[in-house]
Amino acid sequence: AQSVTQPDARVTVSEGASLQLRCKYSYSGTPYLFWYVQYPRQGLQLLLKYYSGDPVVQGVNGFEAEFSKSNSSFHLRKASVHWSDSAVYFCVLSGGGGNNKLTFGQGTVLSVIP
Amino acid sequence: DPKIIQKPKYLVAVTGSEKILICEQYLGHNAMYWYRQSAKKPLEFMFSYSYQKLMDNQTASSRFQPQSSKKNHLDLQITALKPDDSATYFCASSPHWGGNTGQLYFGEGSKLTVL
Repeated sequence: AQSVTQPDARVTVSEGASLQLRCKYSYSGTPYLFWYVQYPRQGLQLLLKYYSGDPVVQGVNGFEAEFSKSNSSFHLRKASVHWSDSAVYFCVLSGGGGNNKLTFGQGTVLSVIP
Repeated sequence: DPKIIQKPKYLVAVTGSEKILICEQYLGHNAMYWYRQSAKKPLEFMFSYSYQKLMDNQTASSRFQPQSSKKNHLDLQITALKPDDSATYFCASSPHWGGNTGQLYFGEGSKLTVL
């Protein structure tokens, strides 16, 4: 069985501050990992993805994530957040099989205070 | 403009009734999916379709029936509604079913409340 845990349901940061959203996964094989974001009144959008290679992957809007196999983690980071980053962030795992059957974390609601 | 249109955005139904959730995608994709997000639960996979054929079904109940009349349509019929069916239902698509890219394009969701 595979699972994704986002331990922080809500995170509030001030504009300009740095950000880390945590994600832990459980999967016996080689995971494909993603971060999706849902802005208000919009569908989910892919922020970044990790398949293999360099454990630090870059995404859109200055986001990056670091994969750690030893820690079973895929944390999302941003050096300086903007109020427009306020959204719900989902950590997602695809465990193979080639069928795009995704396993989602609970999501973290990010609020950026101007 | 949204490329995946889900209708209605909100709906309220009574227990025992039947509803159809509509999904149309204008991305030219060959694969479509349904995901569900119940209260305080993560999004969970329900169905996947490729070229209008059912590829995967993770929904135990036969009360949930996907219907694909066209390649860019994947509706979801729910019969004998129960309060536990209350959730936001997300439609998604991808260029192809295989490949395990994990890159799906999602609609805004249809929020169903069953009283």
